[in-house]
Amino acid sequence: GENVEQHPSTLSVQEGDSAVIKCTYSDSASNYFPWYKQELGKRPQLIIDIRSNVGEKKDQRIAVTLNKTAKHFSLHITETQPEDSAVYFCAAQNQGGKLIFGQGTELSVKP
Amino acid sequence: GAGVSQSPSNKVTEKGKDVELRCDPISGHTALYWYRQSLGQGLEFLIYFQGNSAPDKSGLPSDRFSAERTGGSVSTLTIQRTQQEDSAVYLCASSSSTGFYEQYFGPGTRLTVT
Repeated sequence: GENVEQHPSTLSVQEGDSAVIKCTYSDSASNYFPWYKQELGKRPQLIIDIRSNVGEKKDQRIAVTLNKTAKHFSLHITETQPEDSAVYFCAAQNQGGKLIFGQGTELSVKP
Repeated sequence: GAGVSQSPSNKVTEKGKDVELRCDPISGHTALYWYRQSLGQGLEFLIYFQGNSAPDKSGLPSDRFSAERTGGSVSTLTIQRTQQEDSAVYLCASSSSTGFYEQYFGPGTRLTVT
């Protein structure tokens, strides 16, 4: 069945450093890859997404890369700030619409 | 405009009882999804509805779980004969369509089975 693996499960960085979260997916028909941020006690919110016809997308301090051959995609956060501390989820969706989430990465940015 | 709303926000029930969880999607959104999030865990896909198509129920964990979407809008997730392992936050999300569209999440219903 469809599966998304996400690593690491926890990540601690110093303010100003970069953070990288990696995901792999199993369903080769997946063609849409969003990333969600969930702060404690709040609902997940989309921070960036990428479609399968694009290899990289950037939005200010956040970037996502996609390698369809390897079925692998990553989130990069540069110049991290304490407010970036949250749980980040990757996900993969196929044209049927089913969205499968990774297990999440708890990012802690220490001032 | 209004976002996705869910009710109740919290529900405590005794083992063996049935519960109904409600989701009101964003007006005009044709796709609606249900997920389950256990404490400190990821988002587990349960079911999704798209327009008038048959729902994808492939994520429902057992036949005690069912969901309906009436009139293409409001959805109800029903759990029969609740078990302690059903305790979790149940999240609903809606989007303009399936495919490359952002899913907007509701605040969730925290279900506790005692």
